[in-house]
Amino acid sequence: AQSVTQLGSHVSVSEGALVLLRCNYSSSVPPYLFWYVQYPNQGLQLLLKYTSAATLVKGINGFEAEFKKSETSFHLTKPSAHMSDAAEYFCAVGGSNYKLTFGKGTLLTVNP
Amino acid sequence: ETGVTQSPTHLIKTRGQQVTLRCSSQSGHNTVSWYQQALGQGPQFIFQYYREEENGRGNFPPRFSGLQFPNYSSELNVNALELDDSALYLCASSSGRTQAENTEAFFGQGTRLTVV
Repeated sequence: AQSVTQLGSHVSVSEGALVLLRCNYSSSVPPYLFWYVQYPNQGLQLLLKYTSAATLVKGINGFEAEFKKSETSFHLTKPSAHMSDAAEYFCAVGGSNYKLTFGKGTLLTVNP
Repeated sequence: ETGVTQSPTHLIKTRGQQVTLRCSSQSGHNTVSWYQQALGQGPQFIFQYYREEENGRGNFPPRFSGLQFPNYSSELNVNALELDDSALYLCASSSGRTQAENTEAFFGQGTRLTVV
């Protein structure tokens, strides 16, 4: 069975500050790991994914995440937050098919 | 723009009724998955279809059923609606069959279902 835990349902940062959203996963097989962003009344947009290549994954909009097997973590970071980054972020783990198990999400607020 | 469209965008139904939600994928996308996202929660996997056959199912009762058609459209049907079925329903499509093919799954905007 696979599961995802996102630490912190709400993270608030100032514009220009570091963004760090935490994700820990559990998987009995080598996982595929994803970060998605959801804006209000929208579907999910893929930010980045880990598929067993490089452990540091770069995504869109300046986001990146590092896969740490020893810590079973896949935290999402961005060096400098922008107002447009305010949204809900979901970490997900997948197996061989396209079934994804999502965390409960972290709402990111960016303060001016 | 993901090329995945869902209809309708919003829907209100009465408890006990039946509902059909629709998804139109990009041409060539043979895999479609459906998810239920309750308010304040992450999406939960309902089931997945590959070339018109179900090839994965989550922890949802049989009153949740689906169809996939050769024209890359698909349906999610829910019978005997319950209040807890109120949620955003998302479909996602991909050109591959498995993650190993390294093809992205594209999500639609969702259908907001309210059961009263």
